Amino acid sequence: SQTIHQWPATLVQPVGSPLSLECTVEGTSNPNLYWYRQAAGRGLQLLFYSVGIGQISSEVPQNLSASRPQDRQFILSSKKLLLSDSGFYLCAWRDTGDNSPLHFGNGTRLTVT
Amino acid sequence: GQNIDQPTEMTATEGAIVQINCTYQTSGFNGLFWYQQHAGEAPTFLSYNVLDGLEEKGRFSSFLSRSKGYSYLLLKELQMKDSASYLCAVLDSNYQLIWGAGTKLIIKP
Repeated sequence: SQTIHQWPATLVQPVGSPLSLECTVEGTSNPNLYWYRQAAGRGLQLLFYSVGIGQISSEVPQNLSASRPQDRQFILSSKKLLLSDSGFYLCAWRDTGDNSPLHFGNGTRLTVT
Repeated sequence: GQNIDQPTEMTATEGAIVQINCTYQTSGFNGLFWYQQHAGEAPTFLSYNVLDGLEEKGRFSSFLSRSKGYSYLLLKELQMKDSASYLCAVLDSNYQLIWGAGTKLIIKP
């Protein structure tokens, strides 16, 4: 069966510090991978998605970036965090089948102080 | 533009039935998903509808009317553990998911 691992679960970082969140998927090949952010009490905002190694699509211009160095690894980064980067970050995957559901990792609660 | 509307919050009583509505206006339609999200946790997949009609899965059912751009999630025999947010999402013509803001469901004993 497929599983998705996302870490860390919580993170407190000062403004201006770098960020690296990692996500890996097991049990599937060539999945579509996604990074979402959810502000408190708000909906899901798509940040990046990837349909293959090295291929990244950005949905929202900001100081975050994403990379997919391996088929089942997706990394979210920032060189300098802003206060507004605080939120709940969710990695997700889905099969390349057209109607396959999205499956989420457990999320990372990021607080920028 | 693309838009998905859900009520912000609903309250229901344990043991009762509740219907959570979702209306959508999207560029194309390739299916609609419902997810459940407990506070502080990640969303989990509940149901998928692409054809008109009702899909039943235990205490949860999901209905779709493509001509009306409308779906609902029906929860029967409510339990306290059903207190959560329920997210509606539509797969558009580019097979990208468009998300509603979610409906927070509060269950009272």
